[in-house]
Amino acid sequence: NAGVTQTPKFQVLKTGQSMTLQCAQDMNHEYMSWYRQDPGMGLRLIHYSVGAGITDQGEVPNGYNVSRSTTEDFPLRLLSAAPSQTSVYFCASSYSRGGNEKLFFGSGTQLSVL
Amino acid sequence: GEDVEQSLFLSVREGDSSVINCTYTDSSSTYLYWYKQEPGAGLQLLTYIFSNMDMKQDQRLTVLLNKKDKHLSLRIADTQTGDSAIYFCAELATGGSYIPTFGRGTSLIVHP
Repeated sequence: NAGVTQTPKFQVLKTGQSMTLQCAQDMNHEYMSWYRQDPGMGLRLIHYSVGAGITDQGEVPNGYNVSRSTTEDFPLRLLSAAPSQTSVYFCASSYSRGGNEKLFFGSGTQLSVL
Repeated sequence: GEDVEQSLFLSVREGDSSVINCTYTDSSSTYLYWYKQEPGAGLQLLTYIFSNMDMKQDQRLTVLLNKKDKHLSLRIADTQTGDSAIYFCAELATGGSYIPTFGRGTSLIVHP
């Protein structure tokens, strides 16, 4: 099993550019989510999805869009990149949304916006 | 809403025990987790405990829960250099969004 796969691993953008961070899982997980990790801030939830066609906002959704057209894929789109979006982005998935469900994390995308 | 607090750094000598602490806000029923993040990698679940438990042990890891003080700790016995990582405490309140809230992470540095 590949688990949760994120691409690219590194990306540099100029202010105002747009891009899509890819996330795919091969575990037939219903629940998928995107976090950003900033130094001293821990993990903050950007968007999440409880199944294909269903998405919702997390703690810090502004400047980001998501869609969930298939169970496997959950891309994160930056509409117009800003330096404040420089961060490490993690995608995570679990079989369902529940207390005893283990979250599986991808290895992250390090994004720099100049 | 939920809030999770933990100290940012811990330094120990190889072979000693490490204790990483976490405090959380009130929830009537809660899952509490410890995740480990090694450099350049995503988080991996180490262990979790439900709020009706006081202690959980798994090989070198011991989780202690003090519900009265809303305090969670992770003890790593015989700490090794390979245990150097960031450890995240997380809380999930059942009956709500079922989305975990993460602390800021504790960087554990193990000296030879």
